[in-house]
Amino acid sequence: GGIITQTPKFLIGQEGQKLTLKCQQNFNHDTMYWYRQDSGKGLRLIYYSITENDLQKGDLSEGYDASREKKSSFSLTVTSAQKNEMAVFLCASSPGTGNSGNTLYFGEGSRLIVV
Amino acid sequence: GQGVEQPDNLMSVEGTFARVNCTYSTSGFNGLSWYQQREGHAPVFLSYVVLDGLKDSGHFSTFLSRSNGYSYLLLTELQIKDSASYLCAVSKPNYNVLYFGSGTKLTVEP
Repeated sequence: GGIITQTPKFLIGQEGQKLTLKCQQNFNHDTMYWYRQDSGKGLRLIYYSITENDLQKGDLSEGYDASREKKSSFSLTVTSAQKNEMAVFLCASSPGTGNSGNTLYFGEGSRLIVV
Repeated sequence: GQGVEQPDNLMSVEGTFARVNCTYSTSGFNGLSWYQQREGHAPVFLSYVVLDGLKDSGHFSTFLSRSNGYSYLLLTELQIKDSASYLCAVSKPNYNVLYFGSGTKLTVEP
């Protein structure tokens, strides 16, 4: 088995500040994702990466940057934190498509708090 | 959202069953997944369906009708610990991306 570790669990910043969330996986999965989860809304894709140094924009990429410098890690930067984007950010990885489709393995989430 | 719709809440009674519905209207379809998410925890994969019909996996079963853009997750012999949110997600021909519904919060009462 493997694990996905997100740090920090809580990220507190000021409005306008640049804030970075980190994610590490030891599954040796090729594809990694960042999703945002707001209360009452589904998971919305911010960025994903199909291999080291690759970046693909999701539907919610505006206001965010991402970096995949190593296969095992994927970071997400909020370029200018706003109070309306306080949410839980979920990192996931995937081995690719198999008999169970594209199964995602999620981290426990990082909660962004903007003061 | 994103063309995948689920009811917000569902209540049922311990020992009975619950059916969590999901409808989708996405352009392109390559399969549908179900995830369970307990409060404050990560979503966990439950099931994947790509063919029409009922797929029985014991405590969880899933049904798919591609022509109607409809799926459900059926939980039988409910236990209190089945109380959680259940997320439906559709895969499009770009296999890498899953589009999630907003989730249904299931509450199982004694």
